[in-house]
Amino acid sequence: GENVEQHPSTLSVQEGDSAVIKCTYSDSASNYFPWYKQELGKRPQLIIDIRSNVGEKKDQRIAVTLNKTAKHFSLHITETQPEDSAVYFCAASRGPVEAAGNKLTFGGGTRVLVKP
Amino acid sequence: GAVVSQHPSWVICKSGTSVKIECRSLDFQATTMFWYRQFPKQSLMLMATSNEGSKATYEQGVEKDKFLINHASLTLSTLTVTSAHPEDSSFYICSARDRGGSNEQFFGPGTRLTVL
Repeated sequence: GENVEQHPSTLSVQEGDSAVIKCTYSDSASNYFPWYKQELGKRPQLIIDIRSNVGEKKDQRIAVTLNKTAKHFSLHITETQPEDSAVYFCAASRGPVEAAGNKLTFGGGTRVLVKP
Repeated sequence: GAVVSQHPSWVICKSGTSVKIECRSLDFQATTMFWYRQFPKQSLMLMATSNEGSKATYEQGVEKDKFLINHASLTLSTLTVTSAHPEDSSFYICSARDRGGSNEQFFGPGTRLTVL
């Protein structure tokens, strides 16, 4: 099955600096890679996703890059703000194929703290 | 946008009792729903994939007789934790995928289960 590794497990940055979180995956058939932000006791919120036919995607201060050859993808947050403090999870899945169920395999999470 | 609700949001029960958690897609039809468990400071671990009108597919190591899943309609899946024990205390989160075929999963707000 798929295995997703995420690093670092914790990340402390000064407000205004950039934060980078990296993930690797094992299943070469995975083609959908979402990133979630989860605040304490809340549901995961999708912040950005990328599909395997794209190498990079950007949405305001957030960007994701994907290297299918190396099987790794990264989340970049620029100009960090205190409200960016949360736990971030990467995930990977195949799909959309009904038979495969589109199971999401999550990374271990990165606790990001943005210091004012 | 797609909304998924869960009920209850939290529950405290005595050891040996059963607890039912409901997951509803409010504004879309979900042929597939997913149940996750998240222990404190850990990642989301998929427990089972729930398919409307058929048996759920459980992940390795998850006891199907202990965690009963019913997906009776396109908008409702239930997870029943039978004979709950303190080690079952966790945050249970469901997600649903729009039958339209998008990869994106929409997460419920989660249910915090505490077994005394």
